[in-house]
Amino acid sequence: DSGVTQTPKHLITATGQRVTLRCSPRSGDLSVYWYQQSLDQGLQFLIQYYNGEERAKGNILERFSAQQFPDLHSELNLSSLELGDSALYFCASSPGQGAIGNTIYFGEGSWLTVV
Amino acid sequence: AQTVTQSQPEMSVQEAETVTLSCTYDTSESDYYLFWYKQPPSRQMILVIRQEAYKQQNATENRFSVNFQKAAKSFSLKISDSQLGDAAMYFCAYFFGNEKLTFGTGTRLTIIP
Repeated sequence: DSGVTQTPKHLITATGQRVTLRCSPRSGDLSVYWYQQSLDQGLQFLIQYYNGEERAKGNILERFSAQQFPDLHSELNLSSLELGDSALYFCASSPGQGAIGNTIYFGEGSWLTVV
Repeated sequence: AQTVTQSQPEMSVQEAETVTLSCTYDTSESDYYLFWYKQPPSRQMILVIRQEAYKQQNATENRFSVNFQKAAKSFSLKISDSQLGDAAMYFCAYFFGNEKLTFGTGTRLTIIP
C-alpha cells in the first residue's frame, strides 16, 4: 500500500459526460501529480500541484482541469468525454522540494472507460 | 529538457538467472533522484528502487540493485535470482527538485520458467 488513495477505481461513462477523479496523497505530502496511461502506452504527465498551487502543466487537454484543496486532496475533472479518453489515470504524491528522501509514490489508478 | 531513454523495449530471462535493464538520461543538474518502477499486469505502479544522485553508493533492495554511473548518466537495474513475479513492465524515471517525474518508455520483462 503506497498510501496514495484514488477513487473511484473503475468508472464507465458515456461520451459527452463529465467525471471527477479524486486523489488523497500520502500523509504529509504536499505535491500531487496526475498522469494518464492509455492501453500499451507510456505515462503522460498531465498536471502537478504543490500545496494548493498549480506547479507544472503537461499535455493536459482544455477539457480537463484539476485542483488541489486546502486539505491537500486533489481532483481531476474530465469533461465532454470522448472514446479516446479511456485510460488509466494515476495520481502520485511526494513530500515536495527539499524534502529529505524525496520519493514519489503512485496510487492504484482510476480506470476510466468511455462508451 | 530532461529526457530518459530505455533502449530495450523487451527483455527475457530464465527463471533464477540475472538480468540487467538499461536506462540513460540527460540532465544538466547535479542533485536529483532516479527511480525504477515496476508495472505488473495489474497496472499498479510499484516503486522498486531509488537512487539519490549525490550518493556514490549504488542502491540495493533485496534482489534488486542498480549500477549508477553519474558521469555517464547511466542507471541500470539488475534483478538477481529472477522470479515469475518479476514479470512486468519496468520504467526508469528521473526526478529533480519539485518538478514532474520524467519517465522512459519502459522495458517489458518476461520470465521464462
